[in-house]
Amino acid sequence: GAVVSQHPSRVICKSGTSVKIECRSLDFQATTMFWYRQFPKQSLMLMATSNEGSKATYEQGVEKDKFLINHASLTLSTLTVTSAHPEDSSFYICSARGLADRPYEQYFGPGTRLTVT
Amino acid sequence: GESVGLHLPTLSVQEGDNSIINCAYSNSASDYFIWYKQESGKGPQFIIDIRSNMDKRQGQRVTVLLNKTVKHLSLQIAATQPGDSAVYFCAEAGGSNYKLTFGKGTLLTVNP
Repeated sequence: GAVVSQHPSRVICKSGTSVKIECRSLDFQATTMFWYRQFPKQSLMLMATSNEGSKATYEQGVEKDKFLINHASLTLSTLTVTSAHPEDSSFYICSARGLADRPYEQYFGPGTRLTVT
Repeated sequence: GESVGLHLPTLSVQEGDNSIINCAYSNSASDYFIWYKQESGKGPQFIIDIRSNMDKRQGQRVTVLLNKTVKHLSLQIAATQPGDSAVYFCAEAGGSNYKLTFGKGTLLTVNP
């Protein structure tokens, strides 16, 4: 149980375009979803926290107009990188937590490798 | 704050040896500490956790030790196997929303 998927696993886009990444909880209802960014050989950095049906809470320094997060249902959250630039190239990872889970518990997706050319 | 250079701390061990991976955390108010394993190109995988009111917890082949006095956490892996090769992250959680704050990570390489 507690499986989280991401789609796509890899995406290449041109500078200036937008790309959407999906995060799905496959076998549980995710009341809270998290989006992380990870650069090579570095740690995971939390970008934002989203609760189903409400606006995402962004971490300091993360541009909310650039990284649009939608958590429209209890099983799906999306991250849209708008007007992507090469410096947005990174590994994006989502995680999810269900209502019945321990408060710190997060189930991680497999990640999405974004390359902006 | 911590520097985030391009080189992860590394630990290289022989198959069958015990491994000890260390982590310093920053927030003395954190309630939970978790160890994750991340293989190349994949998301983090939960290994073991420990609550702040404990100082040791054991799992299958793994033990986590917590020293709150010096804000230090360690992960011990017994009889390390090649499949244990990965990057290991500690994370701390606390506060009203229990966000995870990840440490730098350590690259463990197990030589056959």
